[in-house]
Amino acid sequence: SQELEQSPQSLIVQEGKNLTINCTSSKTLYGLYWYKQKYGEGLIFLMMLQKGGEEKSHEKITAKLDEKKQQSSLHITASQPSHAGIYLCGADISAGNNRKLIWGLGTSLAVNP
Amino acid sequence: NAGVTQTPKFRILKIGQSMTLQCTQDMNHNYMYWYRQDPGMGLKLIYYSVGAGITDKGEVPNGYNVSRSTTEDFPLRLELAAPSQTSVYFCASSYPPRGNEQFFGPGTRLTVL
Repeated sequence: SQELEQSPQSLIVQEGKNLTINCTSSKTLYGLYWYKQKYGEGLIFLMMLQKGGEEKSHEKITAKLDEKKQQSSLHITASQPSHAGIYLCGADISAGNNRKLIWGLGTSLAVNP
Repeated sequence: NAGVTQTPKFRILKIGQSMTLQCTQDMNHNYMYWYRQDPGMGLKLIYYSVGAGITDKGEVPNGYNVSRSTTEDFPLRLELAAPSQTSVYFCASSYPPRGNEQFFGPGTRLTVL
């Protein structure tokens, strides 16, 4: 089974609506990273969360880390067509010096004008 | 800074042919990674390197080879291309002392026929 589960798998929203994407780990999280990918392009780093309860915002995107639930949520307020793409979460599940991340399968977001 | 660059952007190979995917970063990052991304399967780590002269296998190394003779370059070699290697390949780099977020190149789309 997938160690890092993302939900939903895909999402279609009307422009202006809010939405939330979740990323849940089956293992202890030592860091959680959110990326966005446009079709045919590379991954763009959005935010990194490292401490339980941490919350970060950039423009209309807010990410939170719930350490107890081993889960992070990505919330987009007043969505715009420019928010469309695939959102991926990556997680550091090793307390040591292993600098590999595990990845969710991604959430595909479409925003209808 | 150009960041992480990859060449070529697209390539079609015949079964049994070989090729090298190039990856270069100009951020002086010590960690570098190669991933493949297949539809619905997320990112799978092929190989990674923690510094010049040091490489290690990821989840899906079979059919690939890497080398890291300099900090900047991390080429991925396919010796005998197979249809199962049709995928999008991403190179990434990171500098853990400043954070474990990975910086991605634009990707190489490879088709093996």
